[in-house]
Amino acid sequence: GAGVSQSPSNKVTEKGKDVELRCDPISGHTALYWYRQSLGQGLEFLIYFQGNSAPDKSGLPSDRFSAERTGGSVSTLTIQRTQQEDSAVYLCASSLAGQGYEQYFGPGTRLTVT
Amino acid sequence: AQKITQTQPGMFVQEKEAVTLDCTYDTSDPSYGLFWYKQPSSGEMIFLIYQGSYDQQNATEGRYSLNFQKARKSANLVISASQLGDSAMYFCAMREGYGGFKTIFGAGTRLFVKA
Repeated sequence: GAGVSQSPSNKVTEKGKDVELRCDPISGHTALYWYRQSLGQGLEFLIYFQGNSAPDKSGLPSDRFSAERTGGSVSTLTIQRTQQEDSAVYLCASSLAGQGYEQYFGPGTRLTVT
Repeated sequence: AQKITQTQPGMFVQEKEAVTLDCTYDTSDPSYGLFWYKQPSSGEMIFLIYQGSYDQQNATEGRYSLNFQKARKSANLVISASQLGDSAMYFCAMREGYGGFKTIFGAGTRLFVKA
C-alpha cells in the first residue's frame, strides 16, 4: 500500500514568512509524529498525535510552531514568522497504536529559510 | 527524562565482517521499547529491529541482532556479514511507557563498509 507522503518535498521561504508542511500517514495508522533533522544531526522530536489529539507538545521549539491533525489522518505543521534556524528537514512518521510498533517515515520536507 | 546516547560518530568495518553499534539509554519507566533505524544517503528512514523492555530474548531480524543488556541500559546493534549497502547512518531510539508514543532518537552513528 501507499507509504507516508509529505508535501512539499522542498520549500524555500524568506525569513518572516509562514509555512505549512503537510503529512499524509499510512491509512489506519492512528499515531503520527513530527521530527526535525538538521544537517548531519539526529532527529529532534517535535510532537505526536494519537488520533486527532496531541498529548505531548513539549518538543515544539517555540510558540511559532503549531500542528494539527484532522479526521485522524492528514496533519499540518505550521511555522509562523520563519527564522533561519528553522532550516532543516522535517520528517513525518506514522505507526499503529502501541509501544512495539515501528514508525514508517515519509521522505521529508527540506525547508530553507533565506 | 528519556535519554539516548550513541557515542560512536563514525565506524568503519570491512565487508563481510560483523560490527557492533553502541547505544545506551536512560529511563525511569519500567516499560519501554527500543528501536534501531537506518538512514541511507537518500534520506529515507528504515526500521531495522525492535526490543521491548520485558522481552526475555534478544531480538533478531536477518543479519541484525540487538544485544540487550537491561541492567547496563544498553541496546547495541550487531550487523553480521556487513555489505556495502549497509553504509548509512544508524539511529537508536526509545519509546517510553506502555501506550506512550513520544520517541527519542540518539545522535546516530555513521557506518562505512569498506570493500
